[in-house]
Amino acid sequence: DVVMTQSPLSLSVTLGQPASISCRSSQSLVYSGDGNTYLNWFQQRPGQSPRRLTYKVSNRDSGVPDRFSGSGSGTDFTLKISRVEAEDVGIYYCMQGTNWPYTFGQGTKLEIK
Amino acid sequence: EVQLVESGGDLVQPGRSLRLSCAASGFTFDAYAMHWVRQAPGKGLEWVSGISWISDSRGYADSVKGRFTISRDNAKNSLYLQMDSLRPEDTAFYYCVKSPARIASAGAVDYWGRGTLVIVSS
Repeated sequence: DVVMTQSPLSLSVTLGQPASISCRSSQSLVYSGDGNTYLNWFQQRPGQSPRRLTYKVSNRDSGVPDRFSGSGSGTDFTLKISRVEAEDVGIYYCMQGTNWPYTFGQGTKLEIK
Repeated sequence: EVQLVESGGDLVQPGRSLRLSCAASGFTFDAYAMHWVRQAPGKGLEWVSGISWISDSRGYADSVKGRFTISRDNAKNSLYLQMDSLRPEDTAFYYCVKSPARIASAGAVDYWGRGTLVIVSS
């Protein structure tokens, strides 16, 4: 199975400051069938189900603020929040959808300092 | 608007069975693969099972292989998870999750339901 490793596992950020979460996979996430890299980022606010933020590394979902951005390639990926807002509190997960079984990172808990 | 509504979660004794259902609306259900993902209370996310758009491919996590069976009824816009030989470690919220692709083995996921809670305890 592909192991997804996130860091840090917790993040305490001042409002308006940037935040960055790293996600590394144990093997390349380039899908041989179509050349796409199926790396997603999800946000899970307290008491809610996960919500997708980005797909195929860097494509932002509809309705997701542009302060969220995804980047990376191969085995190394990053989610950046340019200016953290109070509504960003929650747990962030990366997920690979290139190989079965799909696997998730451990989650990164974001809190406001 | 995509809506995924899970049902069937309950408190059940170890070794017993349970069937989860997911009612889908707001999209062309029979055009997309579907998945189940679970989350033990206070823990992370674990992919459980996936099924292709026409049910010709199904996959399971090792932790549930041989005990859980995923199925779908495209005529009813519904996804199911038959869970047999339940164990305490199966206790979790179970989410019905849509794929953006027809195949289940690649393409990841997009929309999630709100989840249904399964508790396995004597």
